[in-house]
Amino acid sequence: EPEVTQTPSHQVTQMGQEVILRCVPISNHLYFYWYRQILGQKVEFLVSFYNNEISEKSEIFDDQFSVERPDGSNFTLKIRSTKLEDSAMYFCASTRNANTGELFFGEGSRLTVL
Amino acid sequence: DAKTTQPNSMESNEEEPVHLPCNHSTISGTDYIHWYRQLPSQGPEYVIHGLTSNVNNRMASLAIAEDRKSSTLILHRATLRDAAVYYCILRDVHSGAGSYQLTFGKGTKLSVIP
Repeated sequence: EPEVTQTPSHQVTQMGQEVILRCVPISNHLYFYWYRQILGQKVEFLVSFYNNEISEKSEIFDDQFSVERPDGSNFTLKIRSTKLEDSAMYFCASTRNANTGELFFGEGSRLTVL
Repeated sequence: DAKTTQPNSMESNEEEPVHLPCNHSTISGTDYIHWYRQLPSQGPEYVIHGLTSNVNNRMASLAIAEDRKSSTLILHRATLRDAAVYYCILRDVHSGAGSYQLTFGKGTKLSVIP
């Protein structure tokens, strides 16, 4: 069964460092998303991406964050200068049909900022 | 997205049916009812969704009240693997291309007793 894959599974970084989280969405999917979940809290939407541009973003997704699809298969989330409060699980998701289809999530990348 | 209300937690015995309720009294006519679940240390996983009619798939059944103000996710025979947090989420079918911003609440934590 096709799945969304994410790397790394766990990254530890120092505050202020740049981090790139990588995702390989399911191959025929057209819509891509990042969500995050701080330990013990709700899953929160960050950004949606379609047709090589951001279609929606939340208040969390400030100028420190960026996304791109550099090569037609990977979908990356970059955090330019990490803060302690960026420590969370980051989930990538994709879907073929953004109107009614199911969203497929990856297993997540745990980011720990020290 | 309209708000949903779910019990914080529920328990079930293994191999028994489980009925997970969700109230959504402010649902609009174009809101789909989606259910996702999150197993421990994993990303959210799609379970089922529906609009007006009851729905069945290999994982579960979704029973939707006639006035659509509530719904029930039914797991026909709970297994230990079904222990997870279950989220009931409303999503407007007219949210627009590229938009699949799911708003997760706290969900219902289902415990399955062997």
